[in-house]
Amino acid sequence: DAGVIQSPRHEVTEMGQEVTLRCKPISGHNSLFWYRQTMMRGLELLIYFNNNVPIDDSGMPEDRFSAKMPNASFSTLKIQPSEPRDSAVYFCASRAGRRSGNTIYFGEGSWLTVV
Amino acid sequence: AQTVTQSQPEMSVQEAETVTLSCTYDTSESDYYLFWYKQPPSRQMILVIRQEAYKQQNATENRFSVNFQKAAKSFSLKISDSQLGDAAMYFCAYRSQNTGNQFYFGTGTSLTVIP
Repeated sequence: DAGVIQSPRHEVTEMGQEVTLRCKPISGHNSLFWYRQTMMRGLELLIYFNNNVPIDDSGMPEDRFSAKMPNASFSTLKIQPSEPRDSAVYFCASRAGRRSGNTIYFGEGSWLTVV
Repeated sequence: AQTVTQSQPEMSVQEAETVTLSCTYDTSESDYYLFWYKQPPSRQMILVIRQEAYKQQNATENRFSVNFQKAAKSFSLKISDSQLGDAAMYFCAYRSQNTGNQFYFGTGTSLTVIP
């Protein structure tokens, strides 16, 4: 089975540019999460969706960040404009229902560097 | 909010020996799930083992086992016969059964395996 698929794997961009990170969750999973990982702050939950609906976006740092899930098989995390402090690894994860033991499965991450 | 604490930022173990990573959590709930995730240098987050709080029996996956002490809110991971490939960052995580989909992660323990 295909896991959670993220793109791009690596991106280097200049400050002020728009960045779009993409995620395809595991088919059949009804919850999707965006996490950010940095050395200083560890793993932070940015936002999660349940059945394509954003449930909790309290972790989104500021208005420069936005996330969408137009359908069950696709989500985007957008940063506009990007800043150097946004440099991090961004993980997308998805979760099935109780039958899966409520486990979340992570993608390989998108390494973002803003210079 | 629930908190997950990993008090050992770094641990090391001799190859073929056994090591135990500690995790404690704070919750007022009775139903929840606990997880250990492994993050090797590739940064991929890989599920190692999970435990349902209602189960008294400790979960085991090959060389990995947990010591789940519900009353003490402790969830340690034991790695037996350590291998070089076990070197990674290990994260403990908590998920509530009742209050939404959020997963709470500890700050991680970096495990070094010495040949």
